[in-house]
Amino acid sequence: QVQLVESGGGVVQRGGSLRLACAASGFTFNSYGMHWVRQAPGKGLEWVTFINYHGDQKYYTDSVKGRFTLSRDNSKNTLYLQMNSLRADDTAVYYCAKDVSVGNARDYFDYWGQGTLVTVSS
Amino acid sequence: DIVLTQSPATLSLSPGERATLSCRASQSVGSQLAWYQHKPGQAPRLLIYDASDRATGIPARFSGSGSGTDFSLTISSLEPEDFALYYCQQRSKWPPTFGGGTKVEIK
Repeated sequence: QVQLVESGGGVVQRGGSLRLACAASGFTFNSYGMHWVRQAPGKGLEWVTFINYHGDQKYYTDSVKGRFTLSRDNSKNTLYLQMNSLRADDTAVYYCAKDVSVGNARDYFDYWGQGTLVTVSS
Repeated sequence: DIVLTQSPATLSLSPGERATLSCRASQSVGSQLAWYQHKPGQAPRLLIYDASDRATGIPARFSGSGSGTDFSLTISSLEPEDFALYYCQQRSKWPPTFGGGTKVEIK
């Protein structure tokens, strides 16, 4: 069965960095685009970033452009999110999510991890 | 960005009742809309995509309808496990955006 397991969350000071990882299993990882979606405390879901199956196309929501970098290692079935210059409004549970479509993404998310909490303190 | 407005914010119903959730888009998204169920501490679950297609393994009591700017998710007869938060999401225009959610709670 498909499993996505996030790790790397924690408490970090404003301006600091964290690296999240998402370990994938149960599907052909190198055939699917992957996303990160976050949920701030008491708020709804917010799409953050996407990487295509090959790793050569990446997109970011405006608020994280220039600060977050998404990458993937298809040999390790793992997705990474490097988060720099963290701000208080980055505090959220971060979910990795698998795109529904093989190859070209459809930007629907059919499997999600349990999430990892990132808390940015001032 | 396309704004999705969900209503009502909270729906109080009893098991066995019918639930109808609404999602309105700030501009047309065609049929490029999905619905997710989210329970506290769990991973969100895809229910419906392309407005009316059920995702793999989703029970037939869940159905989606609509196109353009107005969409609905209907749960024909609520089961105890259906009490949760529900979000709509559009993928018609980049970036993908979510609605604010509807909480379906036990009356």
